[in-house]
Amino acid sequence: NAGVTQTPKFRILKIGQSMTLQCTQDMNHNYMYWYRQDPGMGLKLIYYSVGAGITDKGEVPNGYNVSRSTTEDFPLRLELAAPSQTSVYFCASSPLTGNEQFFGPGTRLTVL
Amino acid sequence: KNEVEQSPQNLTAQEGEFITINCSYSVGISALHWLQQHPGGGIVSLFMLSSGKKKHGRLIATINIQEKHSSLHITASHPRDSAVYICAVPTQGGSEKLVFGKGTKLTVNP
Repeated sequence: NAGVTQTPKFRILKIGQSMTLQCTQDMNHNYMYWYRQDPGMGLKLIYYSVGAGITDKGEVPNGYNVSRSTTEDFPLRLELAAPSQTSVYFCASSPLTGNEQFFGPGTRLTVL
Repeated sequence: KNEVEQSPQNLTAQEGEFITINCSYSVGISALHWLQQHPGGGIVSLFMLSSGKKKHGRLIATINIQEKHSSLHITASHPRDSAVYICAVPTQGGSEKLVFGKGTKLTVNP
């Protein structure tokens, strides 16, 4: 099993550009999460999904969108990139609520 | 909403020392998570516990539900233990959403 994979690993965007961060898991987990990690701060939840077709906002959803058309994939969309979205983004999955979460390797995004 | 405090923020130890990292939270929970973030950035789950104590190798995690406090201990620390250790709890009760501490950066010198 590859676990949770994320692409790309690094990306530099200009202000106003759009992009999609990809996340795929091959463990058949129902729960998937997107977090951002800023220097000196704890991970913050952006969006999460409890199964295909079901998504909900986390603590910091503004400026982002998600979709969950399959169990495996949970892409995160940035529509109009802003410098405040410069961060490291982690995708995670878990089989059930309250279970251990498995993290992807992260995507380092810089918006200039 | 739960709030998580970790201490210390930074910890430097000599190889072989016994390490303790603390985590306090404000709202009762179903389970608490300890995670490790490697210097390269990857995050792995170490423990999930709801009561008592769990042990994995040289790592021991304890939790006191009444006091809303957990500790992560590392016995016979080694330079490869150098990492950021993160505590996380549900935002409330048994929620699937977690709130994370800011982490404790541990450096173990040879």
